Amino acid sequence: DGGITQSPKYLFRKEGQNVTLSCEQNLNHDAMYWYRQDPGQGLRLIYYSQIVNDFQKGDIAEGYSVSREKKESFPLTVTSAQKNPTAFYLCASSPLHRETQYFGPGTRLLVL
Amino acid sequence: GDSVTQMEGPVTLSEEACLTINCTYTATGYPSLFWYVQYPGEGLQLLLKATKADDKGSNKGFEATYRKETTSFHLEKGSVQVSDSAVYFCALIQVGGTASKLTFGTGTRLQVTL
Repeated sequence: DGGITQSPKYLFRKEGQNVTLSCEQNLNHDAMYWYRQDPGQGLRLIYYSQIVNDFQKGDIAEGYSVSREKKESFPLTVTSAQKNPTAFYLCASSPLHRETQYFGPGTRLLVL
Repeated sequence: GDSVTQMEGPVTLSEEACLTINCTYTATGYPSLFWYVQYPGEGLQLLLKATKADDKGSNKGFEATYRKETTSFHLEKGSVQVSDSAVYFCALIQVGGTASKLTFGTGTRLQVTL
């Protein structure tokens, strides 16, 4: 089955630690996205990538980093510079020049 | 910039009641409009969409009509079920460009009881 997988489902971060969230898709989509969801708020765009080895900042990129070395993969690193990382993180993908995005099941990040 | 405003929840309904979740938007040009649904602990699923004025999107008994004159895209269902309990997000995207950057509303939680 084609789809988007995110791992782990839950992730715990200690103070000063970087953590990496995985996002993999086998839909052959060119574009991939990372969103952050906080309670009572909509989704906010962190980073997006339209093509391998290229990515752009979204609305709330500070304290995050990404890479796009393969078409199928778009990992997100939450760095120690992100002071309020507790949130639900959603990865999405879409074909280029297409509007509909397809979402993964999400990773919940908690700070110890 | 673009923005989407949804009615605040939670919305609590009895099974078989009628549902309306209001959504209005502010955007330049002619955006496409979406409703996404999020079941507890899961990611978002596309529920329906409309790409131009007067288009009606529909799926699983839900409907929404793109009203340019009132900049609205209200979600409706004639008879809700307990399984419809979820958070519903209205969103827009500007036509054109390569990567589709969605602008989301804050979401409306729907709770359906027996």
